[in-house]
Amino acid sequence: AQSVTQLDSQVPVFEEAPVELRCNYSSSVSVYLFWYVQYPNQGLQLLLKYLSGSTLVKGINGFEAEFNKSQTSFHLRKPSVHISDTAEYFCAVSAQGAQKLVFGQGTRLTINP
Amino acid sequence: GAVVSQHPSWVICKSGTSVKIECRSLDFQATTMFWYRQFPKQSLMLMATSNEGSKATYEQGVEKDKFLINHASLTLSTLTVTSAHPEDSSFYICSARGQRGLGDTQYFGPGTRLTVL
Repeated sequence: AQSVTQLDSQVPVFEEAPVELRCNYSSSVSVYLFWYVQYPNQGLQLLLKYLSGSTLVKGINGFEAEFNKSQTSFHLRKPSVHISDTAEYFCAVSAQGAQKLVFGQGTRLTINP
Repeated sequence: GAVVSQHPSWVICKSGTSVKIECRSLDFQATTMFWYRQFPKQSLMLMATSNEGSKATYEQGVEKDKFLINHASLTLSTLTVTSAHPEDSSFYICSARGQRGLGDTQYFGPGTRLTVL
C-alpha cells in the first residue's frame, strides 16, 4: 500500500517570495506522483505529474517539482508566488499500473501582500 | 482537453429524499471514474471506483446500498445518495481516468456540495 505525508498543514508566505511545499511518500513498488491544487469550493486541478523520465517536472502556473527516489520525496516549488496562488495543495501517489490515488492531507498555502 | 463536469454544483434536499449527481467527461472517454467525498478542511476520501459497464468497487466502510453508482457509458457516471440524512452533507467530487494517451492521470470535476436539511 502507498501513503503520502504532507509535512506542513499551512504555509504562509509573502507575495513574490519563493515557496516549497513538502511531500513524502511510502511505497514498496514504483509509483506515479501528482500535485493537485484546489481553490475554494472547487474541484482539483492537476498542477503537474511525474510518471517517468526526468526527475524535475514543470507544471502549470510556474510550479515545478522534483522526484527524489532515495528520499522518497516529491516537493513542490515556485520561485515567486502571487496572491492568486492562495489555495489548498494536495500531493498524491499511485502505484504504477494501479487505478487508485492516495492523497496527502493537503497544505494550505496563504499568500500575504 | 480532459475536462470533467459535474451536475448539479450544489443541491439542498430534505432528509429522507434521494439525490442524483452526474459526472461527465466532456472531451475524452473515461474507462474508469472515481467518486470522492471531502469534509471541510480535509483531504479527499475515495468512496468507490467504477468501470464502464461493470459494478462499482466500494471502499471499506462505504455503504453500497446508500451510495448507488452507475457508469452506463464511457462519458457518464452517476452517484445517487439514497434516503439522505444530514450526516451525508458533504462535498462530493468525481474524477475520470481516460484511455491511452492521457496517461495514468485522474481529471477531477468541480464538485457538488450536498446539504441535507
